[in-house]
Amino acid sequence: GAVVSQHPSRVICKSGTSVKIECRSLDFQATTMFWYRQFPKQSLMLMATSNEGSKATYEQGVEKDKFLINHASLTLSTLTVTSAHPEDSSFYICSAPNRDRATNYGYTFGSGTRLTVV
Amino acid sequence: GQNIDQPTEMTATEGAIVQINCTYQTSGFNGLFWYQQHAGEAPTFLSYNVLDGLEEKGRFSSFLSRSKGYSYLLLKELQMKDSASYLCAVDTGGFKTIFGAGTRLFVKA
Repeated sequence: GAVVSQHPSRVICKSGTSVKIECRSLDFQATTMFWYRQFPKQSLMLMATSNEGSKATYEQGVEKDKFLINHASLTLSTLTVTSAHPEDSSFYICSAPNRDRATNYGYTFGSGTRLTVV
Repeated sequence: GQNIDQPTEMTATEGAIVQINCTYQTSGFNGLFWYQQHAGEAPTFLSYNVLDGLEEKGRFSSFLSRSKGYSYLLLKELQMKDSASYLCAVDTGGFKTIFGAGTRLFVKA
């Protein structure tokens, strides 16, 4: 079935530095990728939608200059958290639409990235 | 506005049956997902309902009533490994999916 590989799974960084998270579709082309953030005991909140070859669409309240999204190819989307602060510590997860009705209709999720900013 | 409500926590006993309810009010509706999520992991797909009625898949069943904006996930023969969060999510169209906050299920022996 469709697989999305997400790296790194965990990252600890110092306040003020930048962190890049990658999501790669392994056996299918993902022209669209969704980026979510999930705080403990809370829902998945959509941050932005990345589209291959065009600018990402950000949800209201999400700073596009802080969360840089690049979708340079049909299989790779990246999220860069710039000038990270402790309040950016969260679980970040990507997902790509797929059509595999038998096993995972709708979306394939990456494994998530636990970001801790100290 | 967009709203998805589900209970925060539930506790059930191993071997029993549990029903997790979800109500929704969204601007669009293409279908409703249920996902299972263990702590620190990605959600895994359980079901997708488009039409009214009950869909059964092994120990898990999902029900949808579009007129009532209501769905439930039914888990039978509970096992300890079923302890997880269960997310109700509405596909509002254009791949725009809104997730509920999730229901944390604790299965006790």
